[in-house]
Amino acid sequence: NAGVTQTPKFRILKIGQSMTLQCTQDMNHNYMYWYRQDPGMGLKLIYYSVGAGITDKGEVPNGYNVSRSTTEDFPLRLELAAPSQTSVYFCASSYSGTSGGAAGEQFFGPGTRLTVL
Amino acid sequence: AQKVTQAQTEISVVEKEDVTLDCVYETRDTTYYLFWYKQPPSGELVFLIRRNSFDEQNEISGRYSWNFQKSTSSFNFTITASQVVDSAVYFCALSGTDSNYQLIWGAGTKLIIKP
Repeated sequence: NAGVTQTPKFRILKIGQSMTLQCTQDMNHNYMYWYRQDPGMGLKLIYYSVGAGITDKGEVPNGYNVSRSTTEDFPLRLELAAPSQTSVYFCASSYSGTSGGAAGEQFFGPGTRLTVL
Repeated sequence: AQKVTQAQTEISVVEKEDVTLDCVYETRDTTYYLFWYKQPPSGELVFLIRRNSFDEQNEISGRYSWNFQKSTSSFNFTITASQVVDSAVYFCALSGTDSNYQLIWGAGTKLIIKP
């Protein structure tokens, strides 16, 4: 199993450009998440999904969009990139199982380091 | 509202010393889950432990141990005989019905182990 994979690993964008960060998991997890981590800070939840076709906003959704058409994939779209979106982006997945909700441990991808200039 | 506080921003110890990372949480839930994650300098996030609110037994895994005390709302992490490879940022996190089971993260504690 590859676990959670993210592409690209690094990207530099110009202000106003758009891009999609890809995330794929092969663990058949129902929950998937997008976080951002600014330098020296903790993680902030951008969007999450509890299953294919269902997404919801996290703490910092502005400037981002997501979709979840399959269990495996959860791409994050940045429209009109701004310098404030310079960050490391982590995708994660978890399995709720019988514990309910998203109580299972989250497995993280390696991250995408994005710089907006 | 749920909250996780890691008051220690940075800790620096000499190799082989024991070190405890503090985590204090706030929640109104009776059922909740606590987690610790490690983020080494390479940047990936590594799951260390999950604890549910009904299990207050201390956990030991090699040099790592966790002390969960509901009475003080704490879930502290101790590394015994620290090693340079333990240098990382450690995050404590909480999930429960109050947050729709989304992880509420602490700000992290940067642990520096000097040789």
